[in-house]
Amino acid sequence: GAVVSQHPSWVICKSGTSVKIECRSLDFQATTMFWYRQFPKQSLMLMATSNEGSKATYEQGVEKDKFLINHASLTLSTLTVTSAHPEDSSFYICSARDPRLVTYNEQFFGPGTRLTVL
Amino acid sequence: SQQGEEDPQALSIQEGENATMNCSYKTSINNLQWYRQNSGRGLVHLILIRSNEREKHSGRLRVTLDTSKKSSSLLITASRAADTASYFCATGIYSGGGADGLTFGKGTHLIIQP
Repeated sequence: GAVVSQHPSWVICKSGTSVKIECRSLDFQATTMFWYRQFPKQSLMLMATSNEGSKATYEQGVEKDKFLINHASLTLSTLTVTSAHPEDSSFYICSARDPRLVTYNEQFFGPGTRLTVL
Repeated sequence: SQQGEEDPQALSIQEGENATMNCSYKTSINNLQWYRQNSGRGLVHLILIRSNEREKHSGRLRVTLDTSKKSSSLLITASRAADTASYFCATGIYSGGGADGLTFGKGTHLIIQP
């Protein structure tokens, strides 16, 4: 099946710094990628939809100026958490939709990135 | 927006027993998916059932979907200690012009006692 990778697996940063997380589709081209956030012992919440060559679509309540998304190629989307604060500490997971499976929205998830902001 | 809700929130059973988890959602869907997540890890896709399907099997997994009741169930038969994990249902809508992200339920934390 399709493989999605994320980098880094975990990151610890100081409050006020920016952190970039990469999401790559390894064996297929992904016109659409999704970013989710998961707080401890909670479910995944969709943050935004990343579309190659166009602006990301953010879910209600997600600050687009704080969570910058760039989908510059068909295999890479990046999420940059700007001016990170401790409340941004979370598990960030991306997924990619394989356009060869367009009808039923099957998505393939990366392994996640754990962000800890001190 | 639609939301998947699983019950129970937590389930502890003996190894070898069957585990059943339920999921309910609120709006029309194209498909419903079940995922497993081990502690602190990414998601593993288990099974996808389409809105025109009523039941699907994959190994020890059996998923049912009742669109009239907007509910689904995941049955794990002959459970093993390695099945200990959190299980989430997720619903998706394909809007034709593009894809939508998945809406996840709160999850069921399953513990298999050896």
